[in-house]
Amino acid sequence: DSGVTQTPKHLITATGQRVTLRCSPRSGDLSVYWYQQSLDQGLQFLIQYYNGEERAKGNILERFSAQQFPDLHSELNLSSLELGDSALYFCASSEREGSTDTQYFGPGTRLTVL
Amino acid sequence: AQKVTQAQTEISVVEKEDVTLDCVYETRDTTYYLFWYKQPPSGELVFLIRRNSFDEQNEISGRYSWNFQKSTSSFNFTITASQVVDSAVYFCALSDPNYGGSQGNLIFGKGTKLSVKP
Repeated sequence: DSGVTQTPKHLITATGQRVTLRCSPRSGDLSVYWYQQSLDQGLQFLIQYYNGEERAKGNILERFSAQQFPDLHSELNLSSLELGDSALYFCASSEREGSTDTQYFGPGTRLTVL
Repeated sequence: AQKVTQAQTEISVVEKEDVTLDCVYETRDTTYYLFWYKQPPSGELVFLIRRNSFDEQNEISGRYSWNFQKSTSSFNFTITASQVVDSAVYFCALSDPNYGGSQGNLIFGKGTKLSVKP
């Protein structure tokens, strides 16, 4: 158990809908990262927050957004969902904001768009 | 550009065999970090090791060992006396603090699926 929690574990929804994925980092970690794992793209970095502020953006679609709250939990919002958004979404956390720290991953949320 | 290549897509071995998973990376910088993660069939990503670019010492942890060679840009992972529980997808990843805008995000290889048969 990495100490990172993600809810829900599974999510099934329809095209055009909007969903919110939630992540709680390990105790003491200030950085939260979101990654998407799909069969064709592999594991891809989406976005990073540090202590409530956005720090880096990867291949995140405009239909996707995220935020980190004062209690450090983070939410990833996916809207106007398409079939291709079906994937495993991971949240990871680390103590600081740079690359010197190990990122610990949550169990993931498996999103299925029908 | 940064890139991580895991050329072996799938490897199948019989229990107790030794197996080496290859990882080759590309980066322009002298300071970077390399990682290995394990993804068992249950789906979670489990951290195995982190190595910085200034530490080329090989590391051993039980049946696991890692060989870091800067000269060949490789960070290979060996499992000695493999067990069925080692069956998983193994990912090598690179983090480069100097890569514009990355702030430490991980760049993953495509992964190597290891099947250990009894």
